Amino acid sequence: AQTVTQSQPEMSVQEAETVTLSCTYDTSESNYYLFWYKQPPSRQMILVIRQEAYKQQNATENRFSVNFQKAAKSFSLKISDSQLGDTAMYFCAFFSGAGSYQLTFGKGTKLSVIP
Amino acid sequence: GAGVSQSPRYKVAKRGQDVALRCDPISGHVSLFWYQQALGQGPEFLTYFQNEAQLDKSGLPSDRFFAERPEGSVSTLKIQRTQQEDSAVYLCASSPAASGHIVGYTFGSGTRLTVV
Repeated sequence: AQTVTQSQPEMSVQEAETVTLSCTYDTSESNYYLFWYKQPPSRQMILVIRQEAYKQQNATENRFSVNFQKAAKSFSLKISDSQLGDTAMYFCAFFSGAGSYQLTFGKGTKLSVIP
Repeated sequence: GAGVSQSPRYKVAKRGQDVALRCDPISGHVSLFWYQQALGQGPEFLTYFQNEAQLDKSGLPSDRFFAERPEGSVSTLKIQRTQQEDSAVYLCASSPAASGHIVGYTFGSGTRLTVV
């Protein structure tokens, strides 16, 4: 079974600064997908960024980028130029597709952006 | 509709009561998922539908939980004889394709169930 670990329950960052959220996972699969989701107080999970394991290039979406280290099974999220609207819970998630349809989520990191 | 709609947004149930939670996915979306999110935790998979077929129900915690999607659109998650440990946010997500992990999922805002 796959597991996803987020070791930082809470983090804070000054507005306009950069912050990195950590995520590690455990799997025996060779091909899989990794995601970062944002959950604001409205509770709706919003996809931030997606990485396919067979792609070596790190995914980037505007101010959001990942550092994907396949051998280390690490998938960190970097948020540049942090904005107040980035305040939310952030969840790392894993999908293997090997006979399963489910996303496996970590426990989340609560990010607070301080003005 | 424009997004995934879930109702009610909040539900308080007395222990032992039956509840039904509704999910209206985006029109035409093939895949539909239910997740359970306990306080301070990440979402945990409950069940998956592809159109009207329930292809995976391995995450349902007990036989008190039942989900259906009879016409391949609206889905209902029913919990019988609710217990305090059922208190959680129930999230629904849909995707236009069976390979939702590629094209992406759209989540609803969930139903917060409190069992007292």
